[in-house]
Amino acid sequence: NAGVMQNPRHLVRRRGQEARLRCSPMKGHSHVYWYRQLPEEGLKFMVYLQKENIIDESGMPKERFSAEFPKEGPSILRIQQVVRGDSAAYFCASSPQDRGSNTEAFFGQGTRLTVV
Amino acid sequence: AQSVSQHNHHVILSEAASLELGCNYSYGGTVNLFWYVQYPGQHLQLLLKYFSGDPLVKGIKGFEAEFIKSKFSFNLRKPSVQWSDTAEYFCAVNALNFGNEKLTFGTGTRLTIIP
Repeated sequence: NAGVMQNPRHLVRRRGQEARLRCSPMKGHSHVYWYRQLPEEGLKFMVYLQKENIIDESGMPKERFSAEFPKEGPSILRIQQVVRGDSAAYFCASSPQDRGSNTEAFFGQGTRLTVV
Repeated sequence: AQSVSQHNHHVILSEAASLELGCNYSYGGTVNLFWYVQYPGQHLQLLLKYFSGDPLVKGIKGFEAEFIKSKFSFNLRKPSVQWSDTAEYFCAVNALNFGNEKLTFGTGTRLTIIP
C-alpha cells in the first residue's frame, strides 16, 4: 500500500508564475489536508478537503491560493502569481473516511517550493 | 478553536540524557493527541498517539507520552536519548468535532543530541 504521494518534491518558480502541487492520498483515504511549513516555523493548517468538497479552508490565504480534490485524480494545491513569501514546504496528509473513529493522518514527503 | 503550545523551541542534550518535551493544548472537549517526528529532510512520521484509555502511551523508538487532562498537557519523554533522535518534534491535537477534524500543530521543538 503506497503512502501519501506528493509531487513534485521540489518546485522552482519565478515570481508571478503559477505553482501546482499534487497529492495522491493513501488507498482508501478520502480526506486530504494541506499544511505549510515556513522556514523555522511549525506546520500551519491550510485546508481540509473530502472528495469534491472543501470542508475547512480557514487557513488558506484569501487570494491566489486554491485547492481541490476531484472525484478522480489527486488533490491539487494551486498558487497563482507566486511571491517570494510563498517559498515553503507544503505537506499533504490523508486519513480514512471514518475520521471520527480515532485514526491518524499520514503525511507525504512534501513539496519544497522555491520562488526566485 | 484549538491551539497547541510547545514552549521549548530548541533543546540540546548529550547522548544518554533524559528528555522531556512540553506540549499544552487548549480545547475544552474531547481530543486525540499526537506526537510526530521530522528527521532532517524527511516527512513527518507518527511517534505515538493518544485516543482514550491509559493516559501513558508508548510509541516507537522508546518514546512515551503522558496525557494529563487536568493540565491540558501531553508531554513527550524518553529516558535515554541517542544521537539518532536529532530531529524536530511536533505535538498535534485533533478536536473531535465530527465533520471537521483538522490536526492543529504546535510550532515544534528542535532536538539536537550531542554525541
